[in-house]
Amino acid sequence: KAGVTQTPRYLIKTRGQQVTLSCSPISGHRSVSWYQQTPGQGLQFLFEYFSETQRNKGNFPGRFSGRQFSNSRSEMNVSTLELGDSALYLCASSLVAGAANEKLFFGSGTQLSVL
Amino acid sequence: AQTVTQSQPEMSVQEAETVTLSCTYDTSESDYYLFWYKQPPSRQMILVIRQEAYKQQNATENRFSVNFQKAAKSFSLKISDSQLGDAAMYFCAYRNTNAGKSTFGDGTTLTVKP
Repeated sequence: KAGVTQTPRYLIKTRGQQVTLSCSPISGHRSVSWYQQTPGQGLQFLFEYFSETQRNKGNFPGRFSGRQFSNSRSEMNVSTLELGDSALYLCASSLVAGAANEKLFFGSGTQLSVL
Repeated sequence: AQTVTQSQPEMSVQEAETVTLSCTYDTSESDYYLFWYKQPPSRQMILVIRQEAYKQQNATENRFSVNFQKAAKSFSLKISDSQLGDAAMYFCAYRNTNAGKSTFGDGTTLTVKP
């Protein structure tokens, strides 16, 4: 089985632009969650999607949004980029959502640099 | 809100030796899971081991084992017979049933010396 695939791996944008990141979960997995990883803040939860519905959202401004498609692929969008948005964005998939014991399978992330 | 604390930003161990990484957490929930994830330079987080809060027995996966002290809210990871491939950043994580998110600690960078 293919693992979680995130594209692109690297992205360079300038302030004020917007960006879309993509995540394809493991086949059969219906839950996708997104995390932002920075040296200063560590791993911060962005949102979780299950069956095309956002189930949970972290404490991020409205500039951060996401969606999930019927094939479970997910995208996250960041509008009006700020320097502080520079981070590694990790996507994780799991079979179901909301189960505490669910194993998360992570992709290799998208490294976003905002200049 | 739940918090996870890893007090050791960096640790090092000699190859074939044993090392213990510390993690404490704070929660008012009774039903939850704890995890250790490994993030090598490839950046892909990999699950190392998980522990259910209701289980008294400490989880073990080959050379990896945990020391789970529920009352003390402590969840340490022991790596035995350390190998060069164990070098990575290790994250402790908490997850309960009601939340769709995992709460991570800040990570511990483990160096393995040959």
